[in-house]
Amino acid sequence: GESVGLHLPTLSVQEGDNSIINCAYSNSASDYFIWYKQESGKGPQFIIDIRSNMDKRQGQRVTVLLNKTVKHLSLQIAATQPGDSAVYFCAEMSNTGNQFYFGTGTSLTVIP
Amino acid sequence: KAGVTQTPRYLIKTRGQQVTLSCSPISGHRSVSWYQQTPGQGLQFLFEYFSETQRNKGNFPGRFSGRQFSNSRSEMNVSTLELGDSALYLCASSFVGQVSTSQYFGPGTRLLVL
Repeated sequence: GESVGLHLPTLSVQEGDNSIINCAYSNSASDYFIWYKQESGKGPQFIIDIRSNMDKRQGQRVTVLLNKTVKHLSLQIAATQPGDSAVYFCAEMSNTGNQFYFGTGTSLTVIP
Repeated sequence: KAGVTQTPRYLIKTRGQQVTLSCSPISGHRSVSWYQQTPGQGLQFLFEYFSETQRNKGNFPGRFSGRQFSNSRSEMNVSTLELGDSALYLCASSFVGQVSTSQYFGPGTRLLVL
């Protein structure tokens, strides 16, 4: 079955710096990926998604990069702010249905 | 538009008891998925319902069950609770559109089994 994992469980960055959160996935047939942000006491919140026919997608202050060759996904946050402190999950959707597989998450701490 | 709501938010049960959790999806969403979140395992998929039918199921024992009503509201039930069932239970709803199948999560129900 699919498995999605994160390279680092925790990440600390200085306010204003850029953050990069990495994710590896194992199912080369997965065709849809999502990054979620989960703040303490809340459910995950959708940040950005990307389909396998793309290798880069940009949102507001966030960029997702997809490298299908090495099955790697990354989330870049520009000018990280204290409000960005949260746990970030990558998730892949199987190409057989609406079922998502999540990584365990990376905890991002922004140092003021 | 109101978000996904889950009730109750917190619950304490003892081993052997059973529990029912409720989820109301975003209006118009027909898909509801349930997840279990624990510090060690992260988010694990339990099952997904679409139009009152279970469409997908994760690798959980039969003690975990669910259902969906005609108004898309969903319930999940856990029977014969075990200590390891202590977790945050999240539900998520989606429209299951063509362009994006992103899900919107509720705040979760935190279950503690003593």
